[in-house]
Amino acid sequence: NAGVTQTPKFQVLKTGQSMTLQCAQDMNHEYMSWYRQDPGMGLRLIHYSVGAGITDQGEVPNGYNVSRSTTEDFPLRLLSAAPSQTSVYFCASSTTGTDTQYFGPGTRLTVL
Amino acid sequence: GENVEQHPSTLSVQEGDSAVIKCTYSDSASNYFPWYKQELGKRPQLIIDIRSNVGEKKDQRIAVTLNKTAKHFSLHITETQPEDSAVYFCACTSGTYKYIFGTGTRLKVLA
Repeated sequence: NAGVTQTPKFQVLKTGQSMTLQCAQDMNHEYMSWYRQDPGMGLRLIHYSVGAGITDQGEVPNGYNVSRSTTEDFPLRLLSAAPSQTSVYFCASSTTGTDTQYFGPGTRLTVL
Repeated sequence: GENVEQHPSTLSVQEGDSAVIKCTYSDSASNYFPWYKQELGKRPQLIIDIRSNVGEKKDQRIAVTLNKTAKHFSLHITETQPEDSAVYFCACTSGTYKYIFGTGTRLKVLA
């Protein structure tokens, strides 16, 4: 099993550009989530999904969109990148919302 | 909304000593309390967890205690070793399925 995979590993964007961070898992997990990690602020939940076709907002959803068309994939879209979105982004999955979360390797995003 | 406070933000201990990290949560419906370890440049990984029907859980040198009345839980690491140096995060979640993390504790074990 590959576990949770994320692409790309690194990305540099200019202000106003859009892009999609990819996340996939092969563990048949129902729960998937996206976090951003900034120094001194821990892991903040952006969006999460409890199953295909169902998504909900986390603590910091503004500027991000998600969709969950399949159990395996949970892409995160930045609509119009801003310097405040410079961060490390982690995708995670778990069997349910109250179980161990398995994290992907992360994407380091810089917005100039 | 839900909130988790974690203390201290940094902790230095001598090798062989114990380390304790504490978290306080606000949502009384929270029922799952995991702890994650994140080494530099790596992804967070679960080290231990506890559910609301249990007061304490141990796994070798690591233990977690939960006080639901006071709404706080703690991570205890005994006989610390240099490889324990990392950032530790507490988290909690409830029926809303919002997984909320603390802000992290940077543990340094001094040889």
